[in-house]
Amino acid sequence: DAGVTQSPTHLIKTRGQHVTLRCSPISGHKSVSWYQQVLGQGPQFIFQYYEKEERGRGNFPDRFSARQFPNYSSELNVNALLLGDSALYLCASSYRQPFATNEKLFFGSGTQLSVL
Amino acid sequence: GQQLNQSPQSMFIQEGEDVSMNCTSSSIFNTWLWYKQEPGEGPVLLIALYKAGELTSNGRLTAQFGITRKDSFLNISASIPSDVGIYFCAGQLRETSGSRLTFGEGTQLTVNP
Repeated sequence: DAGVTQSPTHLIKTRGQHVTLRCSPISGHKSVSWYQQVLGQGPQFIFQYYEKEERGRGNFPDRFSARQFPNYSSELNVNALLLGDSALYLCASSYRQPFATNEKLFFGSGTQLSVL
Repeated sequence: GQQLNQSPQSMFIQEGEDVSMNCTSSSIFNTWLWYKQEPGEGPVLLIALYKAGELTSNGRLTAQFGITRKDSFLNISASIPSDVGIYFCAGQLRETSGSRLTFGEGTQLTVNP
């Protein structure tokens, strides 16, 4: 079975541009979360979606937005890119409801975004 | 916000040695998880801990959920070269509608053959 798939794997943008990152969860998983990982640091929570509803939002500006589609895939959008947005963007999926016990998050390989 | 203190930041060991790393938090978590990340890849789940005091093993890996729910440790026994990577602890907090992981800064493990 395929794991969490993300596209594109690498992306180069310039300041002020907009970017859309895509994620397909593991088959049967209904919850998708997005994390940002800056070089040398641990991932930081951005969003969580379950059954197409936003279930959590991290401490990120409104330039960051996301949505989940009926097939449970998800998009992360970032507007007005800044140099500091350069990072590895990770998508994770989970089978269980976000607030259930025994929830496990499985991560994709990420999209490496470089903002010049 | 919540922060996790993970130590050590890096370790250089010889093949066959045992390794220990830990995480502490100022806040309580519902779940502790340990991930391993290799270059160009996302974190891979190693062990998940759901109850305070729980001790869980996965092959040569053993992890424990601290009694206070504010700490966790990971031990790797008889290390091998493929253990090289960055190990992250993560605390999970379940809220009324969702959940989120808070990650430590990572422990970079190097194993010399």
